[in-house]
Amino acid sequence: GAVVSQHPSWVICKSGTSVKIECRSLDFQATTMFWYRQFPKQSLMLMATSNEGSKATYEQGVEKDKFLINHASLTLSTLTVTSAHPEDSSFYICSAMSPGGLETQYFGPGTRLLVL
Amino acid sequence: QKEVEQDPGPLSVPEGAIVSLNCTYSNSAFQYFMWYRQYSRKGPELLMYTYSSGNKEDGRFTAQVDKSSKYISLFIRDSQPSDSATYLCAMRRANQAGTALIFGKGTTLSVSS
Repeated sequence: GAVVSQHPSWVICKSGTSVKIECRSLDFQATTMFWYRQFPKQSLMLMATSNEGSKATYEQGVEKDKFLINHASLTLSTLTVTSAHPEDSSFYICSAMSPGGLETQYFGPGTRLLVL
Repeated sequence: QKEVEQDPGPLSVPEGAIVSLNCTYSNSAFQYFMWYRQYSRKGPELLMYTYSSGNKEDGRFTAQVDKSSKYISLFIRDSQPSDSATYLCAMRRANQAGTALIFGKGTTLSVSS
């Protein structure tokens, strides 16, 4: 299947700092990528849909000024958590929509964020 | 009523057992159905993908879709301890290309040796 990578795999930062997470589709071009957040023992929660070359679409309740998404190329989307607080500590996972007729999503390995 | 319902479990079985995981859904327009496996602290991995009704088999895994009952299943034969993970069902309408899948909450499976 298609391969999606994320970097970094884990990050610890101080409260008030910003953290950038990268999501790359390694062997295919993805016009659409998605960002999810997952708390321990909870389901995936869709945060936003990222389309290459246009503004991201955020789900209700997700602050667009806090979670900045940039999809500058067909293989890279970034999520920046601005002014991070301890309650932002979570597992952030991206996924990329596969091209062609399969129309399914392939997930990255996730990024664990801990805000102290 | 949520669009996709999935019993969170946990489901515990002995090694070698046949496992049945299920999801129900309310939107009759769903056409694409997937099963993902997620190990602890990892991203979900696509296991099975089916379009519309019917069965699909891949090794020890069989996916079934019953659109008349709005019910999908994943069967795991000869379960192994390495199958211990959370299994998420996901689905989408045919005319929603580029939109996110709708996920169930996931069922946690534990296979003991």
